[in-house]
Amino acid sequence: EPEVTQTPSHQVTQMGQEVILRCVPISNHLYFYWYRQILGQKVEFLVSFYNNEISEKSEIFDDQFSVERPDGSNFTLKIRSTKLEDSAMYFCASSEWRADNSPLHFGNGTRLTVT
Amino acid sequence: AQTVTQSQPEMSVQEAETVTLSCTYDTSESDYYLFWYKQPPSRQMILVIRQEAYKQQNATENRFSVNFQKAAKSFSLKISDSQLGDAAMYFCAYRYDYGGSQGNLIFGKGTKLSVKP
Repeated sequence: EPEVTQTPSHQVTQMGQEVILRCVPISNHLYFYWYRQILGQKVEFLVSFYNNEISEKSEIFDDQFSVERPDGSNFTLKIRSTKLEDSAMYFCASSEWRADNSPLHFGNGTRLTVT
Repeated sequence: AQTVTQSQPEMSVQEAETVTLSCTYDTSESDYYLFWYKQPPSRQMILVIRQEAYKQQNATENRFSVNFQKAAKSFSLKISDSQLGDAAMYFCAYRYDYGGSQGNLIFGKGTKLSVKP
């Protein structure tokens, strides 16, 4: 079964540094998402992306964050200047657009640790 | 604003027994979808089961079934014949759809399920 893959599985960075988290969605999916989960807390929506542009974003997704689909397969989340509170598990997901129910398929996540 | 509440932070079940995880949600929408996701120690979020709000029939996937009560805004997950591999964090999630676009998933805080041999 096709999977969403995320790299790296664990990223350690210093506060103030830029970090890029990478995701390869399922190939025939059209919608892409980033979610994050701070340790011990609920999973939170960050952003959705369709047709090479952001379709929806949460209040968490401020100017420090950006997303890009640089080629036909990768979907990246960039954090421009990391803060300690950005430490979390970041999940990428994709879904096949349909007018009916279209479940999200999640990757294994990238654990980001900001020191 | 839509919210999802899971009132049981932790649950425990004996292997081969049945357990029910609770979930309630709040919304003013009439068209939406509900999901249960499983997050084992491997961290991957795995879709367990989904329910369309317009369907009255409760969804079933093998040993997993839901009790969807739309009027009560309740969406519980029943796991029958529990197996050791069912031990995980379970998240209830809600998603609304508007104008054919994809709404984002709103998650509950999760219920940690332990399965005792």
